[in-house]
Amino acid sequence: EVQLVESGGGLIQPGGSLRLSCAASGFTVFSNYMHWVRQAPGKGLEWVSVLYGGGDTYYADSVKGRFTISRDNSKNTLYLQMNSLRADDTAVYYCARDGGSSEFDPWGQGTLVTVSS
Amino acid sequence: QSALTQPASVSGSPGQSITISCTGTSSDVGIYNLVSWYQQHPGKAPKLMIYEDSKRPSGVSNRFSGSKSGSTASLTISGLQTEDEADYYCCSYAGSRNYVFGTGTKVTVL
Repeated sequence: EVQLVESGGGLIQPGGSLRLSCAASGFTVFSNYMHWVRQAPGKGLEWVSVLYGGGDTYYADSVKGRFTISRDNSKNTLYLQMNSLRADDTAVYYCARDGGSSEFDPWGQGTLVTVSS
Repeated sequence: QSALTQPASVSGSPGQSITISCTGTSSDVGIYNLVSWYQQHPGKAPKLMIYEDSKRPSGVSNRFSGSKSGSTASLTISGLQTEDEADYYCCSYAGSRNYVFGTGTKVTVL
């Protein structure tokens, strides 16, 4: 079964750092495009970042220079390193596999990041 | 990159058909055949319903269909059922390795 499980969310003070993990099963992360998408409380979905199979990375302007997407092939896990966190980064963060045509499928269950003092 | 525009809410009675629009620009929806649609129930992760404008993944009911005209994509739900009550989001590849979601539509089954 293809599955994604996120972890690492929590309460963090403004300016702090946090690393999210997304453990994959049923497929290999390194051979797929992998995304992070977030959803602020009561708000819509926002694309955050993508890691292409060849290793290229891209980011939304809102997180560029602060967030870093990466993977560990030996652990079949995707990561999102988040630095210089701000209150408006508060959201549920989802990882998702790209199905090959810029669609997101499947999604993980999400992990909540709360940035507050 | 601005979010794609969706109506905030759409409603219908059981058995009816409803259509949700998703308006973008000639830089995203209008140029790429890469619009996807997602269903999200409260507290749950989104679920893929349509990809490549009009293709339906295995396991998704054929009551869900997608289409596109110019820079506006549409999701139609036929034979509306109570379990279709959820939030729906469109998404499009926007070029330059960017992706943009719609503003979201709340579907209410009356």
